[in-house]
Amino acid sequence: GAGVSQSPRYKVAKRGQDVALRCDPISGHVSLFWYQQALGQGPEFLTYFQNEAQLDKSGLPSDRFFAERPEGSVSTLKIQRTQQEDSAVYLCASSLVSGYEQYFGPGTRLTVT
Amino acid sequence: KQEVTQIPAALSVPEGENLVLNCSFTDSAIYNLQWFRQDPGKGLTSLLLIQSSQREQTSGRLNASLDKSSGRSTLYIAASQPGDSATYLCAVHDAGNMLTFGGGTRLMVKP
Repeated sequence: GAGVSQSPRYKVAKRGQDVALRCDPISGHVSLFWYQQALGQGPEFLTYFQNEAQLDKSGLPSDRFFAERPEGSVSTLKIQRTQQEDSAVYLCASSLVSGYEQYFGPGTRLTVT
Repeated sequence: KQEVTQIPAALSVPEGENLVLNCSFTDSAIYNLQWFRQDPGKGLTSLLLIQSSQREQTSGRLNASLDKSSGRSTLYIAASQPGDSATYLCAVHDAGNMLTFGGGTRLMVKP
């Protein structure tokens, strides 16, 4: 079936703008993860959902970052009042259940000018 | 807090060479370890997943080993090809549910 999809693939925002990044996980996957990848580094965990419940948001760098998955499928990562340090690739991953193999989407490259 | 380190950070080899990428982690209480490939501007492609009870996994020219007690994993690539050029990432899955990634090894295979 279809893999994990993310939109938009590229986003340019002016400093101070709000952005919303979308993730469509693999159908039937219970667990959904968001990661942030800075240039030249490995991805870092942001937050984790099991169905619609956000079970871990310990990686969110500030209260400007907010994620939701209201119906247990599509998820949105929202960043308010973007700053230059928010520039990164935002990766979404899903797995059948927690602890199983994670499958990644192509990412959204956010550039804040 | 789990920390994952990958050595070397970059590697350049001639085509046909066998090579080993190293990954170490600080907390041995892991559920599994995954090796990923990332091409420039792309997402992550899972190569191999090793459960904590396993010692190794093989897929084609790739072989990954896991020594949980010493906190080490290696990815062996046989008969490297230019198409293998990419960044290779290892990630451990522990009780925190998320994956903790290393910084990656950037591999260049020259024709």
